[in-house]
Amino acid sequence: QIQLVQSGPELKKPGESVKISCKASGYTFTDYAMHWVKQAPGKGLKWMGWINTYTGKPTYADDFKGRFVFSLEASASTANLQISNLKNEDTATYFCARQGDSSPYVMDAWGQGASVTVSS
Amino acid sequence: DIRMTQSPASLSASLGETVNIECLASEDIYSDLAWYQQKPGKSPQLLIYNANSLQNGVPSRFSGSGSGTQYSLKINSLQSEDVATYFCQQYNNYPFTFGSGTKLEIK
Repeated sequence: QIQLVQSGPELKKPGESVKISCKASGYTFTDYAMHWVKQAPGKGLKWMGWINTYTGKPTYADDFKGRFVFSLEASASTANLQISNLKNEDTATYFCARQGDSSPYVMDAWGQGASVTVSS
Repeated sequence: DIRMTQSPASLSASLGETVNIECLASEDIYSDLAWYQQKPGKSPQLLIYNANSLQNGVPSRFSGSGSGTQYSLKINSLQSEDVATYFCQQYNNYPFTFGSGTKLEIK
């Protein structure tokens, strides 16, 4: 079955960096793009962008250009999200989510979420 | 960015009832709309895509409808396991945007 397993919770200080991983199994990794979605505590969902897992080309939403980097370790069926120069407002749960089978712009399988807390 | 306005923000209904959740887009999104269910402490799950297509494995008591700027999610015969927050998402234009969510509780 399709599984996306994300890395564990992180506690960071402002200005530090964090890297979140998302390991996929149960399907051919390079056949489906990977989306990234942010959920701040008690808040809704915000689409950060996606990465073409075949070409490695990322697409970022405007609010996530600059400090956010999507990358791949295709040989390990893993997608990564790196956030640099962390700010308090980056405190959130970050989800990876697979492109949908029936539509590429929906998300039909989600990771369990990776919690990032930024606090001095 | 396309703004997605969801209503109501919260909803309390009895077991076996039918509930409707609405989503209004700030412009025509040509049925490029999905609905997700997020149970407490869990990841979202896809319920509906293309406004009215049921995702594989989702119970048939869930249905979606709408066109243009107005869309709705209907849940028939409400079950206890339907307690969750429901989000709509438009994918007609970048950036893809979500509604603010509807929290559904059992009365």
